[in-house]
Amino acid sequence: QVQLVQSGTEVKKPGASVRVSCKTSGNIFSTFAIHWVRQAPGQRLEWMGWINAGNGGTMYSENFQGRVTITRDTSANTASMELRRLKPDDTAVYYCTNKGPGLHGFDVWGQGTMVTVSS
Amino acid sequence: DIQMTQSPSTLSAYVGDRVTITCRASQSISSWLAWYQQKPGKAPKLLIYKASDLESGVPSRFSGSGSGTEFTLTISSLQPDDFATYYCQQYHSYSYTFGQGTKLEIK
Repeated sequence: QVQLVQSGTEVKKPGASVRVSCKTSGNIFSTFAIHWVRQAPGQRLEWMGWINAGNGGTMYSENFQGRVTITRDTSANTASMELRRLKPDDTAVYYCTNKGPGLHGFDVWGQGTMVTVSS
Repeated sequence: DIQMTQSPSTLSAYVGDRVTITCRASQSISSWLAWYQQKPGKAPKLLIYKASDLESGVPSRFSGSGSGTEFTLTISSLQPDDFATYYCQQYHSYSYTFGQGTKLEIK
């Protein structure tokens, strides 16, 4: 059973950066397409970007261009998301999720990481 | 970006009822649509992908239909475990946008 395990709760001040990690179980990391989705309190889910764990290729939502970077460490079976220049509006639960192949949806999700941005 | 709009935003129903949730896309997304169930404090769970394919392990009382711009999620006989919030998501374009959610409440 594939699992995604995320790093813990973060509290940051406005203007700071946050890095959230997502570790996969098993030895199939290179087959993953890891996406990052966030959910502000009471709001809809919002897609941020994704990384091809095999070749490292990335794509980002225009809403976060220039502020977000997604990376992977194949030796540690881990993907990470860094969000810079944090604002209070970035307070949300951040999820990593794997998109299945072809027309499949986001079939495996991490447990979520709460990021609070407050002065 | 493709906009996704769900209706209704809130739905009250009894255990055993048949319910339908609608999702509309601002432009055609063919069959590139998924449905998720989310319970408070938990990550979303994939129910349906490619508009009508049931994810492995999901009960058969859940079904999806539609193509182009209009889609539906139907639960044939509501069970107590089904009261949650449901989201549609398009993956036709790389914006991967979600609907605003439909909260299904016990009547």
